[in-house]
Amino acid sequence: AQSVTQLGSHVSVSEGALVLLRCNYSSSVPPYLFWYVQYPNQGLQLLLKYTSAATLVKGINGFEAEFKKSETSFHLTKPSAHMSDAAEYFCAVSSNTGFQILVFGTGTRLLVSP
Amino acid sequence: DSGVTQTPKHLITATGQRVTLRCSPRSGDLSVYWYQQSLDQGLQFLIQYYNGEERAKGNILERFSAQQFPDLHSELNLSSLELGDSALYFCASSPTSTNEKLFFGSGTQLSVL
Repeated sequence: AQSVTQLGSHVSVSEGALVLLRCNYSSSVPPYLFWYVQYPNQGLQLLLKYTSAATLVKGINGFEAEFKKSETSFHLTKPSAHMSDAAEYFCAVSSNTGFQILVFGTGTRLLVSP
Repeated sequence: DSGVTQTPKHLITATGQRVTLRCSPRSGDLSVYWYQQSLDQGLQFLIQYYNGEERAKGNILERFSAQQFPDLHSELNLSSLELGDSALYFCASSPTSTNEKLFFGSGTQLSVL
């Protein structure tokens, strides 16, 4: 079985500050890992994904994440937060074989203050 | 706009009733996924259809059923509704049977009173 744990249901940063959203995964097989973002009253949108190629993955809107197998982590970062980054962020995992059901974490709400 | 259309956007009904949620995937996408999002359970995978066939099943209650039609739109049927079924129901689609990139609709907010 696979799962992800997102540390911190809420993260607050100031505009221009570093954004760091934490995700740890558990998987008995090599995982695929994803970050999705949900803006208010909208569906989820894919930010980036790791599918066993480069361990540092760059996504949209200046976000990136690094796959660290030794730490079973896939933390999401952005060097400088914008007000428009305020949203809920979900980490997700699936296997790279079989039916590949996507399992989501509980989400982290990012608050950006001026 | 993801290209995935869900109707209705809001649905208010009473306990014991039955409702149908509709999803039209992006043009050309063969897979449809249904997810339930609630405050206490988070995002839970319900079921996946690929080209009309059930592909994978998650935490879907027996009171819930789904199908995908020949034109690839999908419907999620919820019956004998309970207060705890109140949630945001998302549909997502992808071009293939794998979930390397899902495109989500904006959801149907179901309120059971």
